[in-house]
Amino acid sequence: DIQMTQSPSSLSASVGDRVTITCRASQGIRNDLGWYQQKPGKAPKRLIYAASSLQSGVPSRFSGSGSGTEFTLTISSLQPEDFATYYCLQHNSYPFTFGGGTKVEIK
Amino acid sequence: QLQLQESGPGLVKPSETLSLTCTVSGGSISSSSYYWGWIRQPPGKGLEWIGSIYYSGSTYYNPSLKSRVTISVDTSKNQFSLKLSSVTAADTAVYYCARLSIVDDNYGMDVWGQGTTVTVSS
Repeated sequence: DIQMTQSPSSLSASVGDRVTITCRASQGIRNDLGWYQQKPGKAPKRLIYAASSLQSGVPSRFSGSGSGTEFTLTISSLQPEDFATYYCLQHNSYPFTFGGGTKVEIK
Repeated sequence: QLQLQESGPGLVKPSETLSLTCTVSGGSISSSSYYWGWIRQPPGKGLEWIGSIYYSGSTYYNPSLKSRVTISVDTSKNQFSLKLSSVTAADTAVYYCARLSIVDDNYGMDVWGQGTTVTVSS
């Protein structure tokens, strides 16, 4: 199985801050990675697909980068509605695997 | 607009079989561009992929659950289903169904149901 190591597991940030979350794959997965946002009691919502493509309707302050084993999700200017938990998901090979999640909290 | 809706019992007894159905509306489950999958999330924990199915019936399962999982599809009803046998308290979770797009420029799980909570308890 491909292990997805996500860091940090949590962070505190202020509105307007730039936030970066990282996922590292245990082996190369090309760009077969998506980023998801999950708010309490809600289903995950895809933000980024193919590592760097912005899902339709998602604000442009979200961006993704990386290929192979190192991936990042960046929020350029954190907004109040962005406080949530973020997950990466690799779909390069079965079984699909998620990162452990990053909880973004208000400082 | 495509929507997915999970349904099934919210309470299952230990050692019994958990059964859930996902109803797809606003699109056809028989599209060649998609697989359909199940994901779960134990309380306060992360996400776990359970398995996926194609409209033809081809399946992929998580090896950690493979011996207990069956995913099936009913194209006439535009539904797919999950059965998880011999459940324990560790199977208590929110269960999500999702669409897995296999289109090159949109690969991944792009549409999710709202989730349904299943508790395993006597």
